[in-house]
Amino acid sequence: AQKVTQAQTEISVVEKEDVTLDCVYETRDTTYYLFWYKQPPSGELVFLIRRNSFDEQNEISGRYSWNFQKSTSSFNFTITASQVVDSAVYFCALSDEGAGNMLTFGGGTRLMVKP
Amino acid sequence: DGGITQSPKYLFRKEGQNVTLSCEQNLNHDAMYWYRQDPGQGLRLIYYSQIVNDFQKGDIAEGYSVSREKKESFPLTVTSAQKNPTAFYLCASSIQLAVVYNEQFFGPGTRLTVL
Repeated sequence: AQKVTQAQTEISVVEKEDVTLDCVYETRDTTYYLFWYKQPPSGELVFLIRRNSFDEQNEISGRYSWNFQKSTSSFNFTITASQVVDSAVYFCALSDEGAGNMLTFGGGTRLMVKP
Repeated sequence: DGGITQSPKYLFRKEGQNVTLSCEQNLNHDAMYWYRQDPGQGLRLIYYSQIVNDFQKGDIAEGYSVSREKKESFPLTVTSAQKNPTAFYLCASSIQLAVVYNEQFFGPGTRLTVL
């Protein structure tokens, strides 16, 4: 069965600290996609990244970076030099054919960045 | 601008009343979805639709109904049978459900409160 676990329910850091949000997934499929979404206080989910199961290269986008490791079934998200505007709930999600290509979401991690 | 709109942003309902939440998209997407989010929780799927005039129950469909008469519209009705309807409701769409890279785009959400 498909499952996404975000063990950290809440993280609090001080501005300019680096922070890593963990995501562990379970799937029986060999082809799948992983996603990260950001939900700011306004409520709308904002897409951050999509990564397919055949691409294990790390990705960096400005202060954001993602580490995908199939060996540990993890897709972790790091924010470097965090800012107050990074405060939000972050969701990791999985899409695979076993679930009819539906998104399976983790429970989310609330990140609070204090000035 | 292309995107998803939901209205109203805030909705108050008396117990025993049905209420309909609007969701419109101009992205020309085939698939649309409704999620429910409770405080501090992840997203739970209520209904989804792969194509016009077709929709399927998600994980928590009881007490809800939908229609998909037009490609761009997927309204959700919260009926009096829904025992605990107070929640944040998110609508989403994706190009189609038949592909595994099923990136979903989200609307701004409707916060429903039952008085």
